[in-house]
Amino acid sequence: AQKITQTQPGMFVQEKEAVTLDCTYDTSDQSYGLFWYKQPSSGEMIFLIYQGSYDEQNATEGRYSLNFQKARKSANLVISASQLGDSAMYFCAMGSGTASKLTFGTGTRLQVTL
Amino acid sequence: DVKVTQSSRYLVKRTGEKVFLECVQDMDHENMFWYRQDPGLGLRLIYFSYDVKMKEKGDIPEGYSVSREKKERFSLILESASTNQTSMYLCASSFGDRAYNEQFFGPGTRLTVL
Repeated sequence: AQKITQTQPGMFVQEKEAVTLDCTYDTSDQSYGLFWYKQPSSGEMIFLIYQGSYDEQNATEGRYSLNFQKARKSANLVISASQLGDSAMYFCAMGSGTASKLTFGTGTRLQVTL
Repeated sequence: DVKVTQSSRYLVKRTGEKVFLECVQDMDHENMFWYRQDPGLGLRLIYFSYDVKMKEKGDIPEGYSVSREKKERFSLILESASTNQTSMYLCASSFGDRAYNEQFFGPGTRLTVL
């Protein structure tokens, strides 16, 4: 069975600072994918970034990067130069096997302050 | 742009009522999913469908059923609503050509059962 663990229920970061949101995963599959989603207060889930288990380079999308450490089974999200609009709930998710299902973590609420 | 729409943003029902939550996607996605989201528990998969008339149970299917008569539409049915089904319900869809495809989410339906 797959499991995603996000140990930080809430975090604060000052505007323009970088922040790291932690995610560890557990799977016995060799092939899997890792995702990060953002959920603003409006409720809609927004896809941010994807990392495949065989990707050699860490994924980056603009201000978002994924710090993938396969041996440690971690896939932390790094947001650089935080903005007030980054305040939201962030979910880490994993897909493995062939069923296209995703397993989600419990989320981290990020608050960006002035 | 992919669009996933859900029939209601907010819904209030009484215990014992039959409740239908509708989800429609316009990108010809093979896969469709229903999740419920509760504070501290993240997103949990209720049911998913990888083709018309096909469905599979997720992690918490008890008390729910689904219907997929057309490729673009996936319905979640609460046969006899109970107060413990008060939650946010999120629908998602994805292509089925490979595992770990990004899922696109609808805006969510916040259901209250009185």
